[in-house]
Amino acid sequence: EAGVAQSPRYKIIEKRQSVAFWCNPISGHATLYWYQQILGQGPKLLIQFQNNGVVDDSQLPKDRFSAERLKGVDSTLKIQPAKLEDSAVYLCASSLSLSGGARSGEKLFFGSGTQLSVL
Amino acid sequence: DAKTTQPPSMDCAEGRAANLPCNHSTISGNEYVYWYRQIHSQGPQYIIHGLKNNETNEMASLIITEDRKSSTLILPHATLRDTAVYYCTNLAQGAQKLVFGQGTRLTINP
Repeated sequence: EAGVAQSPRYKIIEKRQSVAFWCNPISGHATLYWYQQILGQGPKLLIQFQNNGVVDDSQLPKDRFSAERLKGVDSTLKIQPAKLEDSAVYLCASSLSLSGGARSGEKLFFGSGTQLSVL
Repeated sequence: DAKTTQPPSMDCAEGRAANLPCNHSTISGNEYVYWYRQIHSQGPQYIIHGLKNNETNEMASLIITEDRKSSTLILPHATLRDTAVYYCTNLAQGAQKLVFGQGTRLTINP
């Protein structure tokens, strides 16, 4: 079974430049998440989609970050313009649906992430 | 913010049982305890979850205290490949927003 695919694997940009990350979730997974993981910390949820609708974007810095999931499958996360503090690993995850939730043992499947360095 | 507390690091000898504690004293009655781990340069990987009863699967065992204020993840025969950061988190029934703390960095020594 194919896992969550992310690209690129690494990205180096200068501050004030723009960058975009791509995620292809596991086939059939309705829910998609973007997490930010700063070195030495646990992942922090940025945005959660169910199909192509946003469920939670409360921690997304909307002045510079945007995300979309137009057809309810692939997703892109964009940063414009980037700041030094955006250096982190950006993780995409997917899960089957919201209907089961924790009771059914809903599991999140993560990609390997995109490591972003802002210089 | 995460509602769990874990030691920042632990060591264990290869072949021995690794016991990772987690404190979740503010857990609600409908919140499950979930464990994930993150091996270097990879995304987090689901290990196990439970509500009240102890659970076991092919990867690990989860022991939850009767008052549910703490739990222990047990890797029965640790190998070098178990070296990773282990995250304990709570997830309410019907919810899917996983909140991660800083986890425990487990090092398995040969």
